[in-house]
Amino acid sequence: QVQLQESGPGLVKPSETLSLTCTVSGGSITSYFWSWIRQPPGKGLEWIGYIYYSGTTNYNPSLKSRVTISVDTSKNQFSLNLSSVTAADTAVYYCARGVSVAADWGQGTLVTVSS
Amino acid sequence: EIVLTQSPGTLSLSPGERATLSCRASLTVSSSYLAWYQQKPGQAPRLLISGASSRATGIPDRFSGSGSGTDFTLTISRLEPEDFAVYYCQQYGSSPPTFGQGTQVEIK
Repeated sequence: QVQLQESGPGLVKPSETLSLTCTVSGGSITSYFWSWIRQPPGKGLEWIGYIYYSGTTNYNPSLKSRVTISVDTSKNQFSLNLSSVTAADTAVYYCARGVSVAADWGQGTLVTVSS
Repeated sequence: EIVLTQSPGTLSLSPGERATLSCRASLTVSSSYLAWYQQKPGQAPRLLISGASSRATGIPDRFSGSGSGTDFTLTISRLEPEDFAVYYCQQYGSSPPTFGQGTQVEIK
């Protein structure tokens, strides 16, 4: 079972770019698809997108214009960039293993958008 | 996108009772690509069921999933104290994958 750990700033200003990294341990990033999922406080889950080690990506159309997911195989990491954030992007962000079904999850990191 | 509606919103039961959670899709979920997750406060969700009825590794057999098309069910045969949590369904047969709003199973 792989382990995942999110890292990045917990506070981002409106209109700026949210950037998070997920470090994978206990397995190779080249073996699976990897996803980002978020959960606003007290609310449900929203799938953001996924990436394969080759660079193939797929994003939620509702966020597609603002999202970039990338992978660094040398570091066994993948990353999320979400541009032009607003308060509506405040959420716990999870990285997960899987293209659609998330079999393993990171612990999540709360990102608050506020000035 | 496919909208998933879970019912009830809250289920109040006692340990040892049977829990039946419903997930209804706005469109047919292709190939029964439906999953169930459990989430406890302050924790990440945990995958319980995929493919509508296949338990994930390490999931006790008191958890079972069924259904097809637009109607799916998660059943917990006898509730254990650690089963009180929020449960989400997710469809992944159509992009983007979408989640239901959740059912909270609380101690009566």
